[in-house]
Amino acid sequence: QSALTQPASVSGSPGQSITISCTGTSSDVGGYNYVSWYQQHPGKAPKLMIYDVSNRPSGVSNRFSGSKSGNTASLTISGLQAEDEADYYCSSYTSSSIPGVVFGGGTKLTVL
Amino acid sequence: QLQLQESGPGLVKPSETLSLTCTVSGGSISSSSYYWGWIRQPPGKGLEWIGSIYYSGSTYYNPSLKSRVTISVDTSKNQFSLKLSSVTAADTAVYYCARLLKTAIIFDYWGQGTLVTVSS
Repeated sequence: QSALTQPASVSGSPGQSITISCTGTSSDVGGYNYVSWYQQHPGKAPKLMIYDVSNRPSGVSNRFSGSKSGNTASLTISGLQAEDEADYYCSSYTSSSIPGVVFGGGTKLTVL
Repeated sequence: QLQLQESGPGLVKPSETLSLTCTVSGGSISSSSYYWGWIRQPPGKGLEWIGSIYYSGSTYYNPSLKSRVTISVDTSKNQFSLKLSSVTAADTAVYYCARLLKTAIIFDYWGQGTLVTVSS
């Protein structure tokens, strides 16, 4: 199974909005609504930010939102804050070869 | 509060077998709502799903690692384990254990991670 495709980096100024894309195939992102997003700060374990494409776990800011169109999912962060600077990973259920989980390659968000 | 803790050697020699255990506290590994999984992250690189196990022992492995991976569960100790055979320097990574919610295929609780270095 191949990793989902994410841009290597994105950047934005405080207060602005950014969007990170995550492209897969009909065997993963396009075929199921099991798309999730994780935030990872340096030296820390990933933290779940979005699940089932667009749902936020309790405690996650409503500045984080998710969507999907076809084989591409997106994470949007509005009102950028310095603390949002981190790596972001998308993930999806995949039915290719063996049912399992596939991650994206990760996107480094820089808050300018 | 659920907690997961990885344990095992931090240094493994090439061609040998990497062995890690994840101890779950604050909840039962025998819950029917969850799988339990291993994820790794090479230094400076992205996340890679290694595999997952259900409390009954059913396993799902990443096809790229399947020939070298074994994940097992010990419900009496509330633990699950990872064995990765014939390791090379490419297997050097931070290894995380995590809980996988069945209904959403999400890793909602993670261990802190443990760095395993493959070197002679």
